[in-house]
Order: sequence, then structure tokens, then C-alpha cells
Amino acid sequence: ELKVEQNPLFLSMQEGKNYTIYCNYSTTSDRLYWYRQDPGKSLESLFVLLSNGAVKQEGRLMASLDTKARLSTLHITAAVHDLSATYFCAVDKGSRLTFGEGTQLTVNP
Amino acid sequence: EPEVTQTPSHQVTQMGQEVILRCVPISNHLYFYWYRQILGQKVEFLVSFYNNEISEKSEIFDDQFSVERPDGSNFTLKIRSTKLEDSAMYFCASRGDISGNTIYFGEGSWLTVV
Repeated sequence: ELKVEQNPLFLSMQEGKNYTIYCNYSTTSDRLYWYRQDPGKSLESLFVLLSNGAVKQEGRLMASLDTKARLSTLHITAAVHDLSATYFCAVDKGSRLTFGEGTQLTVNP
Repeated sequence: EPEVTQTPSHQVTQMGQEVILRCVPISNHLYFYWYRQILGQKVEFLVSFYNNEISEKSEIFDDQFSVERPDGSNFTLKIRSTKLEDSAMYFCASRGDISGNTIYFGEGSWLTVV
């Protein structure tokens, strides 16, 4: 059974600071997704990582994938309050996405 | 931008009643999914659907659940006899092909069973 673990689960950070969210998974997969969810809302696609070594950046967020280590990271640069949300990684295996527990990020002024 | 639409956005139902949640996937997409999220928890896979049949289902998707694509646009999830523990947000999702394109999620249908 595929297991996906994120850490930390809760992250409170100051505006302007950098931080990294980690996503580990237990079996091989070449596709990994990052989603953002605001409270009571749907899942907004942030990144699709399709191969080992893939790196994608959008604004203050950068995601990477190391399939050998079964690890993806979501790096936040110079955080702003608008980034406050829950971030999920999801591993694509077979016909399903298996989600991590989510990282609830709060960016304080 | 094309989007996945879901109805209803919120439904309250009595335990034991049947519920149908409706979804219109993005036009030309071939793969359809239902996921659920119990309040405060992670998103869980229910079922995937391709070529008019279920391609994979989770252990959650037992005999009380069924899916259907009754016409060329709608994709429905039926819960036959709802239980209190079925209370959750149900997300429909779709994607164009299996090669890694983005999976798009709808806004969700919040089901409350009382």
C-alpha cells in the first residue's frame, strides 16, 4: 500500500522567511502533484512533476522531485500572508492519487 | 479556463436516504474520479472511471456507492443508504489522458448526513 507522508503538518512562519515542506512516499512513482486548498474550498493545482529531477517554479513557490529518494519538496521563498493555506502533495500511481496529510501553513505579518 | 462543475454545493440528508452527487467534467477529458475529504482530514480516493467503466476503486467504495456516466457530459456518484460517517466533502475530478496531465478538481459537494 502506498503511503505518502508530509512534514511538517503545521507550519507557522513570518512574512519574508523561507521554508520547505517535505513529501515522502513509499513506492516508486514518476508523477507527483502539489495542490493548494483554502478553507472550505477545492484543490487548486500548483505543480505537476513528471520525472526525476523535475523542478518547477511559480512565484514564491518551487517544487522538486527526486524519484530515487521518493521525495518531493515545496520550497517557499519570502513568504507572504496570501500563501496561508493547506498544501497537499499527491502521488500518482495506477488510476489514483494518494494524498499526504497536508501541511497547514500560516504566514504571520 | 475550463472547469469541473459539481452540484449540489451542499446537501443535508437523513440517514438511510439515497443521495446523488453530480459532476460535469471538463469537455474532452477521458478520466474521471471521485474523492472525498472528511472535515479536517486528507483527501481520499474513492473511484476512477474510464471508457464507461470503473478502472479502480478503493476499500471505501463499497456496495452502497455507485458511479454512472448517463450521458456524454454528466458523471454521478450515488450513495444508496447514507450513514453518518458519509458526511464529507466529495470532489469530482477529471483529466485528459493518463500521461501526466493535470488532474482538475471541482469545487466539491458538501454532504451532511443527520
